[in-house]
This record gives sequence, structure tokens and C-alpha cells, in this order.
Amino acid sequence: EAGVAQSPRYKIIEKRQSVAFWCNPISGHATLYWYQQILGQGPKLLIQFQNNGVVDDSQLPKDRFSAERLKGVDSTLKIQPAKLEDSAVYLCASSPRLAGYNEQFFGPGTRLTVL
Amino acid sequence: AQSVTQLGSHVSVSEGALVLLRCNYSSSVPPYLFWYVQYPNQGLQLLLKYTSAATLVKGINGFEAEFKKSETSFHLTKPSAHMSDAAEYFCAVSDAGANSKLTFGKGITLSVRP
Repeated sequence: EAGVAQSPRYKIIEKRQSVAFWCNPISGHATLYWYQQILGQGPKLLIQFQNNGVVDDSQLPKDRFSAERLKGVDSTLKIQPAKLEDSAVYLCASSPRLAGYNEQFFGPGTRLTVL
Repeated sequence: AQSVTQLGSHVSVSEGALVLLRCNYSSSVPPYLFWYVQYPNQGLQLLLKYTSAATLVKGINGFEAEFKKSETSFHLTKPSAHMSDAAEYFCAVSDAGANSKLTFGKGITLSVRP
């Protein structure tokens, strides 16, 4: 079974530029998550989708971050404009369904450096 | 609101020694608890989880954890460390709600000395 795919793996941009990350979850997984992991910290949930609907985006900085999951499969996360403090690893995860006991399966992440 | 506390940022053990990584949680409802491992430049991988069945949970790679409600703890142990166990370990909590999310601790880096 293929795992969660993410691209690109690494990205370096200047502040105030825009950037987009792509995630393809495990086939059949209804729930998709985007996390931000700053160096030395645990992952922090940015947004959670159930199929193509948003379940929780309470910690997403909506003035600069946006995310979509068209057709309930792939997802993109965009930052526009980027700030220095956005430097982090962005992790995508998926799980079969929306329930607290479900394991989340993580992709390898995209490491973003903002200069 | 739920939270997880992982005291210390780095643990170093000798190969063959006991591994003990501490995790304390705060939750207003019965929690689900998880330990994830992250190897360099990789995503997180589930080691084990507690979902209100047995309080002693066995996971992959010889790890286990015990849920202690009275101590609000879910410490991770392994009797004998191996060099390949060197990684970062995260404890996480979610509640039993239908759309609950994972709240992670800040993680602990485990080093294994030859």
C-alpha cells in the first residue's frame, strides 16, 4: 500500500513570496490533516479535512495560509506572503475516518526555509 | 483543552540499557494516547496507542507503554536499547470526540551510545 506522498520535499523562498505544497493521501482515507512542525517542537495542526469539507481550521493563519482538498483526495496548502517565522516542516497526514482512536499516517514532509 | 508534557528534550542511554521516555497528559475527558517516532528527514510513524482497552500497550520494535490514570501518565519503555532506536519520540493525545484532533508534546530526542 502506497503511503502519503508530499511534494516538494524541500523549498527555499524569500520572505513575501508565495509557496504551495501538495499532498496525496493514502487511497480511501477520508480524513486529511496538515501540520506545521517548527524546529524543536511537536507538530501543530493547521487544518483538518473530512472528504472535501473543513472540520477544523482554528489554528490556520487565514490572512496568509489557505488550503483546499478538491474532490476529497489530493490537497494543497498555500502560503502567501511568506514570513520568516513560517520556516518549518509541513507534514500531511491521513486517516481512514474521523475518529480520535484512528492512527494518522504521515508523509515525509516539506521543509520550508524562508530567507 | 488537552495538552501533553514531555519533560526534557534529550535522553541518552547506552546500547542494551533501559529506555524510559516520560509523558504526562491533561484531558477533561478520557483520552486516547499515542506515541509516534520520527527518524531524520522522515514523517512520523506510530509506535503504539492506548484506546481504553488494556492499560499496558505493546507496540512495534519492542516498545511498550502503560496508561496510569491516577498519575495522568503514559510513559514509553523498552527493556534494551538498540542503536536503531535513536530518533525523536512524540507523545500525543486526542479525546474521544467524533472530530478530535491530535495534540503533540514537544518531543524527546533519544540517543543511544555504543
